[in-house]
Amino acid sequence: DTEVTQTPKHLVMGMTNKKSLKCEQHMGHRAMYWYKQKAKKPPELMFVYSYEKLSINESVPSRFSPECPNSSLLNLHLHALQPEDSALYLCASSQGGWSGYTFGSGTRLTVV
Amino acid sequence: TQLLEQSPQFLSIQEGENLTVYCNSSSVFSSLQWYRQEPGEGPVLLVTVVTGGEVKKLKRLTFQFGDARKDSSLHITAAQPGDTGLYLCARVQGAQKLVFGQGTRLTINP
Repeated sequence: DTEVTQTPKHLVMGMTNKKSLKCEQHMGHRAMYWYKQKAKKPPELMFVYSYEKLSINESVPSRFSPECPNSSLLNLHLHALQPEDSALYLCASSQGGWSGYTFGSGTRLTVV
Repeated sequence: TQLLEQSPQFLSIQEGENLTVYCNSSSVFSSLQWYRQEPGEGPVLLVTVVTGGEVKKLKRLTFQFGDARKDSSLHITAAQPGDTGLYLCARVQGAQKLVFGQGTRLTINP
């Protein structure tokens, strides 16, 4: 299995809702990532997990809460988001170092 | 943060033409990756270049890493509509952080 699977593919949520994005990989990659991509912009790093521990938080607001339950799963918990948080949220995994990253297809999030 | 500058930002050409896109930095890269992203999908890795002067080919795509490892280029021969997409160069910073250039949005017209 050489894929990163993200669910759901699309999500519409109100500003008072709580929702979670899910990501799964079975390539044995030791590092997993969350990226945010706004329209016509490149992906921007949010969080890095290495060996299931959070190693990088790019000063992301606390309304985004990552979780890594095991080496194959990565979640992003969302609460009290703002309309400007609407974006494509991408999960990725890699072996670390200079290895290429494998990205999922993303979750298109709309906050209303 | 060491910036990656890509040019051009937008490129629209006819099917069958050749094109080159560039990725430059004022800093030396230990390695550089190229990705292609189609609308509504995540980026897909095309190639990683590591050695200065390295040239890699992927069918009609030729990737070159500059001798000084500060720049890279992607050349597409006889472009096809299926080559349409966002081309991103990226470097790994600190062994854990993949940082992208602004991208080149390529459109190949039939």
